[in-house]
Amino acid sequence: AQKITQTQPGMFVQEKEAVTLDCTYDTSDPSYGLFWYKQPSSGEMIFLIYQGSYDQQNATEGRYSLNFQKARKSANLVISASQLGDSAMYFCAMRLTGTYKYIFGTGTRLKVLA
Amino acid sequence: NAGVTQTPKFQVLKTGQSMTLQCAQDMNHEYMSWYRQDPGMGLRLIHYSVGAGITDQGEVPNGYNVSRSTTEDFPLRLLSAAPSQTSVYFCASSYSGVQSTDTQYFGPGTRLTVL
Repeated sequence: AQKITQTQPGMFVQEKEAVTLDCTYDTSDPSYGLFWYKQPSSGEMIFLIYQGSYDQQNATEGRYSLNFQKARKSANLVISASQLGDSAMYFCAMRLTGTYKYIFGTGTRLKVLA
Repeated sequence: NAGVTQTPKFQVLKTGQSMTLQCAQDMNHEYMSWYRQDPGMGLRLIHYSVGAGITDQGEVPNGYNVSRSTTEDFPLRLLSAAPSQTSVYFCASSYSGVQSTDTQYFGPGTRLTVL
């Protein structure tokens, strides 16, 4: 069965430092997409970054990059130069081509320290 | 372009009451879905729709009904509210329901408490 695992319930990082949030996934399907969302304390879900299973290069969006290791089935989110506004819950999600369902992990709460 | 909107933002119900959570999108997205978010459990899919007139069950459909009469709207009905339905509910939409590249965009959420 398809599954997303986020093993870090909470993390701390010093302001201006980089941080990596872990995400592993389980699927035997060759075609899938991986997503990261940010949920600040205000509650909304904000799309951050996407990686396709056939993409040769790691996705990047500003300070966000996705460290995609297909053989290890991992899709870790890297946030560079952390800011106080990065403090939030972060969710990893997967979508299989041809299915209509997105699968979410349980999230990692990140706290950026001044 | 308002994106995905949800009403109400907050709601308190008594056990046994029924209500409808409203969701609308103005992006002409075919795919719409409802999730519930509970502490420590991430987001779980309740129902989804791949177009007007087409709906299907997700992971946790019991106690909820949906319909999709237009592309824009996808209401979620609680038939007889139970305390176990206390949760935050999110509506989301994406361009289509087929491609793994389709990014879902979320509404602001509805916080529901059932007493």
